[in-house]
Amino acid sequence: EIVLTQSPDFQSVTPEEKVTITCRASQSIGSSLHWYQQKPDQSPKLLIKYASQSISGVPSRFSGSGSGTDFTLTIDSLEAEDAATYYCHQSGSLHTFGGGTKVEIK
Amino acid sequence: QVQLVESGGGVVQPGRSLRLSCAASGFSFSSYPMHWVRQAPGKGLEWVAVFSYDGSNKYYADSVKGRFTISRDNSKNTLYLQLNGLRSEDTAVYYCARDGLRGRFGSGSFLDFWGQGTLVTVSS
Repeated sequence: EIVLTQSPDFQSVTPEEKVTITCRASQSIGSSLHWYQQKPDQSPKLLIKYASQSISGVPSRFSGSGSGTDFTLTIDSLEAEDAATYYCHQSGSLHTFGGGTKVEIK
Repeated sequence: QVQLVESGGGVVQPGRSLRLSCAASGFSFSSYPMHWVRQAPGKGLEWVAVFSYDGSNKYYADSVKGRFTISRDNSKNTLYLQLNGLRSEDTAVYYCARDGLRGRFGSGSFLDFWGQGTLVTVSS
């Protein structure tokens, strides 16, 4: 099973600040890494697919990068509505999710 | 618009069974692989199972293999998850989710639409 390790587990950020979340895979998965946002009491929502491909309707301040084993989700200029937990997901070999990163607004 | 509506959750005793359903609408259900993902209270997401669009393949997480069975009825646009031998650690919200790769099945897929989830509580 491929294990995804996200860091940090928690981040408290002021509005307009830049947020960086990392996701490391236990073995190479190419670009089969996707990012989701989950707000309290809501279902997850797809943010980024294939490491860096944008999704229609998702604000442009969300971007992704990486390949192989190391990946990054970046939120440029955080907004209050971005308070949520963010998960990475690999589909290179079956499917697994990272443990999540909770982003709180200061 | 794409809609996924789960049902069938509830409180069940350890060792008992439950069947979850996911009614799909707004897209060509028979063309997409479908997944179940669960989330224990206050915890992260855990992938459970996937069923190919044509019924030829299904895969499970090790934690549920041999106890849970995924199935689908394309004539009813419905995905199912049969949960047998339930344990306390199976307590979770169960989401169905659409695979983003229409007409294909294999590695590299993503989950582009999710239902609102149905809560399964395993307790004596």
